[in-house]
Amino acid sequence: GQQLNQSPQSMFIQEGEDVSMNCTSSSIFNTWLWYKQDPGEGPVLLIALYKAGELTSNGRLTAQFGITRKDSFLNISASIPSDVGIYFCAGQGGNTPLVFGKGTRLSVIA
Amino acid sequence: DAGVIQSPRHEVTEMGQEVTLRCKPISGHDYLFWYRQTMMRGLELLIYFNNNVPIDDSGMPEDRFSAKMPNASFSTLKIQPSEPRDSAVYFCASSFVKEKLFFGSGTQLSVL
Repeated sequence: GQQLNQSPQSMFIQEGEDVSMNCTSSSIFNTWLWYKQDPGEGPVLLIALYKAGELTSNGRLTAQFGITRKDSFLNISASIPSDVGIYFCAGQGGNTPLVFGKGTRLSVIA
Repeated sequence: DAGVIQSPRHEVTEMGQEVTLRCKPISGHDYLFWYRQTMMRGLELLIYFNNNVPIDDSGMPEDRFSAKMPNASFSTLKIQPSEPRDSAVYFCASSFVKEKLFFGSGTQLSVL
């Protein structure tokens, strides 16, 4: 089945630093999404991307749909303590359900 | 809207017991998904429904797992008999379009 490789697995950063994480796939996807999961809660949708090359922002978050349609990245600028959590990429190809990456666990040191 | 509502939030049971997890999706959403999350395997799709009909249950681990959606506002995931390896967080999610999922807060299941 389709698999997503998400990296890094975890990150420790200082408050105020920028963060970058990415996701690659062996398959072409039509849709890429990024979710964030806070402790004890379910994932929440941050950004959805529908077109190769698309660059979309949501506040301090920016995500891009790779030109090859096999990758996506998420940037967080000027991190703050509430950015702590697990970030998941997810992709969908054709009529199949979403496939999720294993997540990037972000820790922000104040 | 209250969002996707799951119950119970926590369930501790003994091996061999039957476990039933419940989900109320967001009103108007046509899709309902059941996921299982573990450290080792991440988020795994177990089954999803469209308009109350099961579409893909290929992720259901084995016959001990079953899911139903008797109407548009309720779904259950049942494990009978439960085993320690079933311990995980189980999420229900619903959506209007297939990819924009709204997740519940999950049920933390511990099978002793």
